[in-house]
Amino acid sequence: EAGVTQFPSHSVIEKGQTVTLRCDPISGHDNLYWYRRVMGKEIKFLLHFVKESKQDESGMPNNRFLAERTGGTYSTLKVQPAELEDSGVYFCASSHEVAAYGYTFGSGTRLTVV
Amino acid sequence: EDQVTQSPEALRLQEGESSSLNCSYTVSGLRGLFWYRQDPGKGPEFLFTLYSAGEEKEKERLKATLTKKESFLHITAPKPEDSATYLCAVLRGSTLGRLYFGRGTQLTVWP
Repeated sequence: EAGVTQFPSHSVIEKGQTVTLRCDPISGHDNLYWYRRVMGKEIKFLLHFVKESKQDESGMPNNRFLAERTGGTYSTLKVQPAELEDSGVYFCASSHEVAAYGYTFGSGTRLTVV
Repeated sequence: EDQVTQSPEALRLQEGESSSLNCSYTVSGLRGLFWYRQDPGKGPEFLFTLYSAGEEKEKERLKATLTKKESFLHITAPKPEDSATYLCAVLRGSTLGRLYFGRGTQLTVWP
């Protein structure tokens, strides 16, 4: 089966600009997650979708971040306006069931805000 | 505050030299503990899930164990291709779906 696909793989934007990251989960996976790793820190949870609904968005840093999941398929994560501290690697993961066999992660999008 | 701490931060082993990585956690209501492997430029790759103290899982040269406070990832006779960052993550019952990660152990196996 195809894995979790994320694009772009890299993005360099200026402070104040907008960036949209996209994630295509494994087909049939109802659960979709966004995580982020900033330099020197651990991977941290951002939010969890079940189908098209936000199950848990408690990890979203602030209202500059907006996540959507259209029709329960792919998801986008928009950062507007971007700040320097938003730089990091953004991972998407999906799973059929929560806590069943682990989550399948994408390769991530490396975001650099300059 | 929930915490997941991995040690050591980095580990260099000679090929064939067995060792263990540690993941200690202070999480209430543990639902599961996950081990992942991450290669440079890639996302975490699932290795094991452990659900209760005393449980063990094995895969090739890797063996994961779980107690009430920590988990160990034992690597037996490692090979250079085992070089990667190994991540531990826990799942709490009260925040189902949300993984809490440690910072990882960067393992280098030299021939």
